[in-house]
Amino acid sequence: QQQVKQSPQSLIVQKGGISIINCAYENTAFDYFPWYQQFPGKGPALLIAIRPDVSEKKEGRFTISFNKSAKQFSLHIMDSQPGDSATYFCAARTYNQGGKLIFGQGTELSVKP
Amino acid sequence: DTAVSQTPKYLVTQMGNDKSIKCEQNLGHDTMYWYKQDSKKFLKIMFSYNNKELIINETVPNRFSPKSPDKAHLNLHINSLELGDSAVYFCASSQTSGLLYEQYFGPGTRLTVT
Repeated sequence: QQQVKQSPQSLIVQKGGISIINCAYENTAFDYFPWYQQFPGKGPALLIAIRPDVSEKKEGRFTISFNKSAKQFSLHIMDSQPGDSATYFCAARTYNQGGKLIFGQGTELSVKP
Repeated sequence: DTAVSQTPKYLVTQMGNDKSIKCEQNLGHDTMYWYKQDSKKFLKIMFSYNNKELIINETVPNRFSPKSPDKAHLNLHINSLELGDSAVYFCASSQTSGLLYEQYFGPGTRLTVT
């Protein structure tokens, strides 16, 4: 019940296209859902985050869509660029577990020029 | 100006040795974490300290011992290193007041046990 399932494992998108990464969870106690971006040799960096009382959050080309009833959330990257090529992780947290983040398995995104 | 820093960045050692990884954050956060990223890039929390107090201790072998001398530092000591300990270890920090608890990660320490 503590798992966060992420798909696809890898994604290839043409420059200018839309990248979509999906995550699903079971634990309804999760109250915060961040997305992290990780470049090779670097630490994960917070990209965008959402709380379950909001159905969508947009920051620039990055949008989180959240479906509370389906227990699913997704990251959309509009106008994907080669510089977006990285590994993306969704995560979830429960308030009463000391800030512990449960991560999805990661999606390796490659944007072709 | 690095927010969360770790030393060393690379650590190559032999089985059976004892090694330490150090982490420091200058964000003024009150909570620090250690995560392990395996060869498949899966990230899993190991420990968390809040104001120098251990609050999360996942199922981690006793050979791993975190120590927090103050709120800005969290070190990880590993005894009797095994091949399976090879991974990238990330330190992170967050501030527990406020709603979002954003966690900021360090650059990682790649541990290779031979």
